[in-house]
Amino acid sequence: QSVLTQPPSVSAAPGQKVTISCSGSSSNIGNNYVSWYQQLPGTAPKLLLYDNNKRPSGIPDRFSGSKSGTSATLGITGLQTGDEADYYCGTWDSSLTAVIFGGGTKLTVL
Amino acid sequence: QVQLQESGPGLVKPSQTLSLTCTVSGGSISSGNYYWSWIRQPAGKGLEWIGRIYTSGITDYNPSLKSRLTISVDTSKNQFSLRLSSVTAADTAVYYCALQPIRGYYFDYWGQGTLVTVSS
Repeated sequence: QSVLTQPPSVSAAPGQKVTISCSGSSSNIGNNYVSWYQQLPGTAPKLLLYDNNKRPSGIPDRFSGSKSGTSATLGITGLQTGDEADYYCGTWDSSLTAVIFGGGTKLTVL
Repeated sequence: QVQLQESGPGLVKPSQTLSLTCTVSGGSISSGNYYWSWIRQPAGKGLEWIGRIYTSGITDYNPSLKSRLTISVDTSKNQFSLRLSSVTAADTAVYYCALQPIRGYYFDYWGQGTLVTVSS
């Protein structure tokens, strides 16, 4: 069981918006930056967001991030079938002294 | 653009040592801008951070693996390596090498991953 809690799955129709939550504690999300990754089937994870809400070069602004207290949220607007993937949050845990990840959320674009 | 490529045996026997190497191209492992990291993912499961090394050789390990783990760097070959001893079936996973900027706890470049199966 992961230290960071994500919903196992979310779904929405093409063109719609979806949010994915990532819940932690004061030893991780509460005091550290959060990053988000997209993992398409059979491929390596790809960095989507870092430092809670910053997008690397090449990531469209359809992807956004926010953090409040000990939770973080990934938002995806204008959903496309190509967005179907597993999404992971990650951060540092000061108590565990380790980088930790959420269990992952499978996004289905109906 | 930095590229990473994992290599090593795809099958390891229980109780033996798993050894993988990550070859870095398009950048120097001596640049000082990154930690060089290992992450693994069992089939159908989530990501687990294994550990990281800095160019100087300083390491940080996941406490759950620390007693069995060694990460090293070879700047002359632009490579870094992972050795995990006393493996069991629970160590079967896709192993990724990845870059972590020194100022952040995120990974912006990843290798394609290599599957390691622990089985007799």
